[in-house]
Amino acid sequence: KAGVTQTPRYLIKTRGQQVTLSCSPISGHRSVSWYQQTPGQGLQFLFEYFSETQRNKGNFPGRFSGRQFSNSRSEMNVSTLELGDSALYLCASSRVPTSGGPQAYEQYFGPGTRLTVT
Amino acid sequence: QQQVKQSPQSLIVQKGGISIINCAYENTAFDYFPWYQQFPGKGPALLIAIRPDVSEKKEGRFTISFNKSAKQFSLHIMDSQPGDSATYFCAASRARSRDDKIIFGKGTRLHILP
Repeated sequence: KAGVTQTPRYLIKTRGQQVTLSCSPISGHRSVSWYQQTPGQGLQFLFEYFSETQRNKGNFPGRFSGRQFSNSRSEMNVSTLELGDSALYLCASSRVPTSGGPQAYEQYFGPGTRLTVT
Repeated sequence: QQQVKQSPQSLIVQKGGISIINCAYENTAFDYFPWYQQFPGKGPALLIAIRPDVSEKKEGRFTISFNKSAKQFSLHIMDSQPGDSATYFCAASRARSRDDKIIFGKGTRLHILP
């Protein structure tokens, strides 16, 4: 069974540009969550999508957005990039929404996309 | 109230020793406490998780101890091996809540000396 895949794995952008990251969940998983990981702040929740709807959102500015397609694949977009957006962006999938239910938070993470903003 | 404080930041343990990582939380509504293991270049992987109705959960060499009154939980790695060298994250959430998100600790970088 294939794991969570994220593309691209590495990305270098300049300030002011925008970027789109992609995540393909494990087959059969309908929930996709996005996280930002930095040495200073650790793992921070960005948002969660389930059945093409955003179910939950972290405390990030509106420059960070996402969407989910009917096949459960998800994309996140960051507009007007800032130096502080340099981070590892992780996607995690689960069979059910990560809040609520007996299997809550059994998430499977992808390898991440390393974004560097110069 | 939403923080999860993890310590130590880094830990060096001799092969065969016991590695202990501690976490403390403030929100008494949290009811699900997972631990994740992350190797360089990989995403975090769920290692073991506990709910507050039990004080201890063991899976192989990994044990979670949970102290509800102190609002603390810890990960113990028995007979630590060089392959256990990784970054470990504790986390907390309200599993039955639709609106809450999982909160992660800042991580502990564990190095097991061969």
